[in-house]
Amino acid sequence: EAGVTQFPSHSVIEKGQTVTLRCDPISGHDNLYWYRRVMGKEIKFLLHFVKESKQDESGMPNNRFLAERTGGTYSTLKVQPAELEDSGVYFCASSPQLGSGGTSLYNEQFFGPGTRLTVL
Amino acid sequence: AQKITQTQPGMFVQEKEAVTLDCTYDTSDQSYGLFWYKQPSSGEMIFLIYQGSYDEQNATEGRYSLNFQKARKSANLVISASQLGDSAMYFCAIRRDFNKFYFGSGTKLNVKP
Repeated sequence: EAGVTQFPSHSVIEKGQTVTLRCDPISGHDNLYWYRRVMGKEIKFLLHFVKESKQDESGMPNNRFLAERTGGTYSTLKVQPAELEDSGVYFCASSPQLGSGGTSLYNEQFFGPGTRLTVL
Repeated sequence: AQKITQTQPGMFVQEKEAVTLDCTYDTSDQSYGLFWYKQPSSGEMIFLIYQGSYDEQNATEGRYSLNFQKARKSANLVISASQLGDSAMYFCAIRRDFNKFYFGSGTKLNVKP
């Protein structure tokens, strides 16, 4: 079974340009998450999709970031216009939806390899 | 709010020795889950071990064990018999619902031959 994939693996752009990151979750996983790690700091949550709906976007830094998940399959994260502080590694993760009555907190998130974004 | 603290930015351990990576957390929730992930130089995040807040026994997975001290709010990862392939970044994370993780800043472990 294929894991979570992300494209591109690395992107170098200039300040003011636009970049779109793509995440393909594991097939059948309803939950999709975006995280970001700025150099040397903790990995921070950006947002969470359940199928095509945004469940929680409390971590999105500002309105220069736009995430979509049309059709509930792959997701894109667009940064427009990019700023220097947007540089970092962007991770995508997915997990299956728990069945009704599920009470376990153990719902492992499967992470992609990340996209390293460098804004010059 | 949830918070994870990893106070060791970098650590060295001799091959075949055991090493403990520290993790403390802050939460007011009674029900939560604690996770450890490994990130080798290739970049992928690999799940290692999970501890539920109501689990009475410390979690173990092969050479990995979690020293869970609920009253102290600590969830240290113990790696026994370190191997060169254990060199990587290690992240501790907390989860209190079926939703997002809160991660620490990570510990970079270097295993020396």
